Amino acid sequence: KNQVEQSPQSLIILEGKNCTLQCNYTVSPFSNLRWYKQDTGRGPVSLTIMTFSENTKSNGRYTATLDADTKQSSLHITASQLSDSASYICVVSALIRGGADGLTFGKGTHLIIQP
Amino acid sequence: NAGVTQTPKFRVLKTGQSMTLLCAQDMNHEYMYWYRQDPGMGLRLIHYSVGEGTTAKGEVPDGYNVSRLKKQNFLLGLESAAPSQTSVYFCASKSSGPKNIQYFGAGTRLSVL
Repeated sequence: KNQVEQSPQSLIILEGKNCTLQCNYTVSPFSNLRWYKQDTGRGPVSLTIMTFSENTKSNGRYTATLDADTKQSSLHITASQLSDSASYICVVSALIRGGADGLTFGKGTHLIIQP
Repeated sequence: NAGVTQTPKFRVLKTGQSMTLLCAQDMNHEYMYWYRQDPGMGLRLIHYSVGEGTTAKGEVPDGYNVSRLKKQNFLLGLESAAPSQTSVYFCASKSSGPKNIQYFGAGTRLSVL
Protein backbone atom coordinates (compact mmCIF):
# COMPACT_ATOMS: atom_id res chain seq x y z
CA LYS A 1 0.00 0.00 0.00
CA ASN A 2 1.29 3.45 -0.92
CA GLN A 3 2.18 5.50 2.13
CA VAL A 4 3.63 8.91 2.94
CA GLU A 5 4.89 9.60 6.46
CA GLN A 6 5.77 13.09 7.66
CA SER A 7 7.62 14.32 10.69
CA PRO A 8 7.37 16.11 12.95
CA GLN A 9 3.59 16.19 13.35
CA SER A 10 3.82 19.75 14.63
CA LEU A 11 6.56 22.30 15.12
CA ILE A 12 6.83 25.69 16.80
CA ILE A 13 9.73 28.00 15.98
CA LEU A 14 10.56 31.66 16.47
CA GLU A 15 10.25 34.11 13.63
CA GLY A 16 13.48 34.40 11.67
CA LYS A 17 14.67 30.87 12.48
CA ASN A 18 15.12 28.06 9.96
CA CYS A 19 13.43 24.67 10.05
CA THR A 20 13.37 21.39 8.15
CA LEU A 21 10.39 19.13 7.64
CA GLN A 22 10.78 15.45 6.72
CA CYS A 23 8.88 13.10 4.42
CA ASN A 24 9.38 9.35 3.87
CA TYR A 25 7.39 7.51 1.26
CA THR A 26 6.65 4.13 -0.23
CA VAL A 27 4.83 4.81 -3.51
CA SER A 28 5.04 2.80 -6.69
CA PRO A 29 5.39 3.49 -9.52
CA PHE A 30 6.91 6.80 -8.49
CA SER A 31 6.23 9.77 -10.74
CA ASN A 32 7.02 12.88 -8.72
CA LEU A 33 6.98 14.40 -5.24
CA ARG A 34 5.33 17.67 -4.32
CA TRP A 35 5.23 19.86 -1.28
CA TYR A 36 2.04 21.82 -0.64
CA LYS A 37 1.29 24.59 1.83
CA GLN A 38 -2.19 24.67 3.33
CA ASP A 39 -3.30 27.72 5.27
CA THR A 40 -6.09 27.20 7.80
CA GLY A 41 -9.44 27.06 6.05
CA ARG A 42 -7.92 27.08 2.57
CA GLY A 43 -7.04 24.56 -0.09
CA PRO A 44 -3.46 23.32 -0.56
CA VAL A 45 -1.15 25.40 -2.74
CA SER A 46 1.82 23.87 -4.53
CA LEU A 47 5.32 24.93 -3.41
CA THR A 48 7.61 22.56 -5.32
CA ILE A 49 7.48 19.51 -7.53
CA MET A 50 10.38 17.13 -8.21
CA THR A 51 10.76 14.16 -10.49
CA PHE A 52 12.99 11.13 -9.97
CA SER A 53 16.03 12.83 -11.51
CA GLU A 54 15.78 16.07 -9.52
CA ASN A 55 17.27 16.16 -6.04
CA THR A 56 16.69 19.78 -5.12
CA LYS A 57 14.19 22.50 -5.99
CA SER A 58 13.81 25.99 -4.56
CA ASN A 59 10.91 28.39 -4.38
CA GLY A 60 11.98 31.56 -2.63
CA ARG A 61 12.73 30.71 1.01
CA TYR A 62 11.54 27.13 0.50
CA THR A 63 14.01 24.46 -0.62
CA ALA A 64 12.95 20.87 -1.16
CA THR A 65 15.30 17.91 -1.50
CA LEU A 66 14.64 14.43 -2.79
CA ASP A 67 16.63 11.24 -2.31
CA ALA A 68 14.92 8.71 -4.56
CA ASP A 69 17.20 5.90 -3.38
CA THR A 70 16.18 6.19 0.26
CA LYS A 71 12.71 7.51 -0.64
CA GLN A 72 13.08 10.56 1.54
CA SER A 73 12.38 14.23 1.01
CA SER A 74 12.80 17.33 3.11
CA LEU A 75 11.47 20.86 2.99
CA HIS A 76 13.75 23.54 4.41
CA ILE A 77 12.33 26.94 5.29
CA THR A 78 14.84 29.77 5.67
CA ALA A 79 14.35 32.90 7.76
CA SER A 80 10.81 32.00 8.74
CA GLN A 81 8.03 34.59 8.70
CA LEU A 82 4.72 34.71 10.52
CA SER A 83 2.97 34.00 7.21
CA ASP A 84 4.74 30.64 7.06
CA SER A 85 2.41 29.37 9.78
CA ALA A 86 0.47 26.62 8.01
CA SER A 87 0.33 22.89 7.39
CA TYR A 88 2.93 21.55 4.98
CA ILE A 89 1.88 18.47 3.11
CA CYS A 90 4.16 16.04 1.29
CA VAL A 91 2.43 14.45 -1.69
CA VAL A 92 3.80 11.64 -3.83
CA SER A 93 2.42 10.95 -7.27
CA ALA A 94 2.08 7.68 -9.12
CA LEU A 95 0.62 7.60 -12.60
CA ILE A 96 -2.74 5.89 -12.78
CA ARG A 97 -5.23 5.06 -15.49
CA GLY A 98 -5.69 7.64 -18.18
CA GLY A 99 -2.72 9.74 -17.14
CA ALA A 100 -4.38 11.16 -14.07
CA ASP A 101 -2.37 11.58 -10.87
CA GLY A 102 -2.54 8.92 -8.19
CA LEU A 103 -1.62 11.18 -5.30
CA THR A 104 -0.81 9.86 -1.85
CA PHE A 105 -0.96 12.62 0.74
CA GLY A 106 0.93 12.79 3.98
CA LYS A 107 -0.91 13.95 7.09
CA GLY A 108 1.09 17.15 7.10
CA THR A 109 3.34 19.01 9.52
CA HIS A 110 1.60 21.79 11.37
CA LEU A 111 4.08 24.67 11.62
CA ILE A 112 3.59 27.62 13.95
CA ILE A 113 5.85 30.67 13.74
CA GLN A 114 5.94 32.70 16.92
CA PRO A 115 6.97 36.38 17.00
CA ASN B 1 -6.66 28.68 -5.35
CA ALA B 2 -7.26 30.88 -8.36
CA GLY B 3 -9.37 29.28 -11.04
CA VAL B 4 -11.11 26.54 -9.00
CA THR B 5 -14.36 27.55 -7.34
CA GLN B 6 -16.35 25.36 -4.97
CA THR B 7 -19.91 25.93 -3.87
CA PRO B 8 -21.22 25.96 -1.26
CA LYS B 9 -18.53 26.82 1.28
CA PHE B 10 -20.47 25.43 4.23
CA ARG B 11 -23.43 23.09 4.58
CA VAL B 12 -25.23 21.26 7.37
CA LEU B 13 -27.31 18.22 6.47
CA LYS B 14 -29.47 15.81 8.38
CA THR B 15 -28.81 12.09 8.03
CA GLY B 16 -30.49 10.79 4.90
CA GLN B 17 -30.65 14.10 3.07
CA SER B 18 -29.06 14.52 -0.32
CA MET B 19 -26.98 17.30 -1.78
CA THR B 20 -24.62 18.18 -4.62
CA LEU B 21 -21.29 19.95 -4.33
CA LEU B 22 -20.24 21.93 -7.36
CA CYS B 23 -16.71 22.46 -8.59
CA ALA B 24 -15.99 24.83 -11.46
CA GLN B 25 -12.63 25.57 -13.08
CA ASP B 26 -11.86 28.18 -15.71
CA MET B 27 -8.40 26.94 -16.73
CA ASN B 28 -9.56 24.48 -19.41
CA HIS B 29 -8.07 21.60 -17.43
CA GLU B 30 -8.68 18.03 -18.52
CA TYR B 31 -8.40 16.39 -15.13
CA MET B 32 -10.57 17.04 -12.11
CA TYR B 33 -10.62 15.43 -8.66
CA TRP B 34 -12.69 15.29 -5.51
CA TYR B 35 -10.96 14.71 -2.15
CA ARG B 36 -12.04 14.63 1.44
CA GLN B 37 -9.90 15.79 4.34
CA ASP B 38 -10.50 14.50 7.84
CA PRO B 39 -8.68 15.42 11.07
CA GLY B 40 -5.45 13.48 11.51
CA MET B 41 -5.57 12.07 8.00
CA GLY B 42 -4.17 13.06 4.65
CA LEU B 43 -6.45 14.02 1.79
CA ARG B 44 -8.12 10.99 0.26
CA LEU B 45 -9.34 10.72 -3.31
CA ILE B 46 -13.07 10.08 -3.73
CA HIS B 47 -13.54 10.20 -7.51
CA TYR B 48 -11.71 11.70 -10.44
CA SER B 49 -12.26 12.53 -14.09
CA VAL B 50 -9.81 12.45 -16.98
CA GLY B 51 -12.10 14.36 -19.30
CA GLU B 52 -15.62 15.48 -20.12
CA GLY B 53 -18.07 12.61 -19.79
CA THR B 54 -15.67 10.30 -17.93
CA THR B 55 -15.37 9.52 -14.24
CA ALA B 56 -13.53 6.94 -12.16
CA LYS B 57 -13.43 5.78 -8.56
CA GLY B 58 -10.70 6.79 -6.19
CA GLU B 59 -9.70 5.48 -2.81
CA VAL B 60 -12.96 6.15 -0.92
CA PRO B 61 -15.84 6.29 -3.42
CA ASP B 62 -18.61 4.60 -1.41
CA GLY B 63 -21.62 6.82 -0.72
CA TYR B 64 -20.70 9.34 -3.43
CA ASN B 65 -21.51 9.81 -7.07
CA VAL B 66 -20.01 12.23 -9.58
CA SER B 67 -20.73 13.65 -13.00
CA ARG B 68 -18.65 15.57 -15.54
CA LEU B 69 -21.17 16.69 -18.14
CA LYS B 70 -19.16 19.79 -18.99
CA LYS B 71 -15.39 20.07 -19.06
CA GLN B 72 -15.35 22.95 -16.59
CA ASN B 73 -17.65 21.40 -13.99
CA PHE B 74 -17.29 18.38 -11.72
CA LEU B 75 -20.21 17.57 -9.43
CA LEU B 76 -20.06 15.46 -6.28
CA GLY B 77 -23.34 14.02 -5.04
CA LEU B 78 -24.36 12.52 -1.74
CA GLU B 79 -27.60 10.60 -2.23
CA SER B 80 -28.22 9.76 1.43
CA ALA B 81 -25.85 11.60 3.73
CA ALA B 82 -24.37 9.83 6.75
CA PRO B 83 -22.52 11.29 9.77
CA SER B 84 -19.36 9.54 8.50
CA GLN B 85 -19.44 11.92 5.55
CA THR B 86 -18.85 14.91 7.80
CA SER B 87 -15.64 16.29 6.36
CA VAL B 88 -14.02 19.05 4.37
CA TYR B 89 -14.26 18.39 0.64
CA PHE B 90 -11.72 19.72 -1.82
CA CYS B 91 -11.92 19.84 -5.57
CA ALA B 92 -8.80 20.06 -7.72
CA SER B 93 -7.98 20.30 -11.40
CA LYS B 94 -4.90 20.01 -13.56
CA SER B 95 -3.88 20.03 -17.19
CA SER B 96 -2.42 16.98 -18.91
CA GLY B 97 1.18 15.94 -18.24
CA PRO B 98 2.69 14.10 -15.26
CA LYS B 99 4.45 17.13 -13.85
CA ASN B 100 1.54 19.53 -14.01
CA ILE B 101 0.33 20.42 -10.57
CA GLN B 102 -3.17 20.19 -9.20
CA TYR B 103 -4.88 23.43 -8.31
CA PHE B 104 -7.22 23.19 -5.36
CA GLY B 105 -10.42 25.00 -4.49
CA ALA B 106 -11.00 26.58 -1.09
CA GLY B 107 -13.03 23.61 0.18
CA THR B 108 -16.56 22.85 1.32
CA ARG B 109 -17.11 22.14 5.00
CA LEU B 110 -19.94 19.64 5.38
CA SER B 111 -21.53 18.52 8.62
CA VAL B 112 -24.02 15.66 8.70
CA LEU B 113 -26.07 15.48 11.89
